[in-house]
Amino acid sequence: GAVVSQHPSRVICKSGTSVKIECRSLDFQATTMFWYRQFPKQSLMLMATSNEGSKATYEQGVEKDKFLINHASLTLSTLTVTSAHPEDSSFYICSASLPSGTDTQYFGPGTRLTVL
Amino acid sequence: GDSVTQMEGPVTLSEEAFLTINCTYTATGYPSLFWYVQYPGEGLQLLLKATKADDKGSNKGFEATYRKETTSFHLEKGSVQVSDSAVYFCALGKGGTASKLTFGTGTRLQVTL
Repeated sequence: GAVVSQHPSRVICKSGTSVKIECRSLDFQATTMFWYRQFPKQSLMLMATSNEGSKATYEQGVEKDKFLINHASLTLSTLTVTSAHPEDSSFYICSASLPSGTDTQYFGPGTRLTVL
Repeated sequence: GDSVTQMEGPVTLSEEAFLTINCTYTATGYPSLFWYVQYPGEGLQLLLKATKADDKGSNKGFEATYRKETTSFHLEKGSVQVSDSAVYFCALGKGGTASKLTFGTGTRLQVTL
């Protein structure tokens, strides 16, 4: 149980285009999802916290207009990287929390974004 | 602010060796502590957790004890296998349900025959 999927697993795009990454909780409803960015050989950096039906809460230094997060249902959150540039190339990971009563997060397999 | 410090890797061990990966934290209040593992090409998986002082988390032969007096949560395994080769992340969480996690930088473990 508690499986989280991400799509796509890899994406290559041209500079200036937008890319959408989907995060789905497959066998549970996730009221809260998190989006992380992982740089090579570094830790995960939290970008934003996404609650179903409300605006995402972004961490300091994360551009909300560049990284658009939508959490339209209890099983789906999307991250759109708008007007992507090479410096946005990274590994993006989402996670989801089970409903009330636990502090454990379940992680998706990640999406490798390469911007040319 | 909250932070997690892990020993730098990579850690290279022979199969059946004893493993310790050190983790210390700085946080106000009473965080929960976690170890996550990331196998090559995969996402993070929860390995074990502890929610209060003196709790011991254990899974798959790994264990870690929440030591409030030393603010530590060191990961140990008595006999590692090649299949344990992965990156291990220590993390702390606060705020109860759906709390934000603060991660350490990760420690790569390489186990050889």
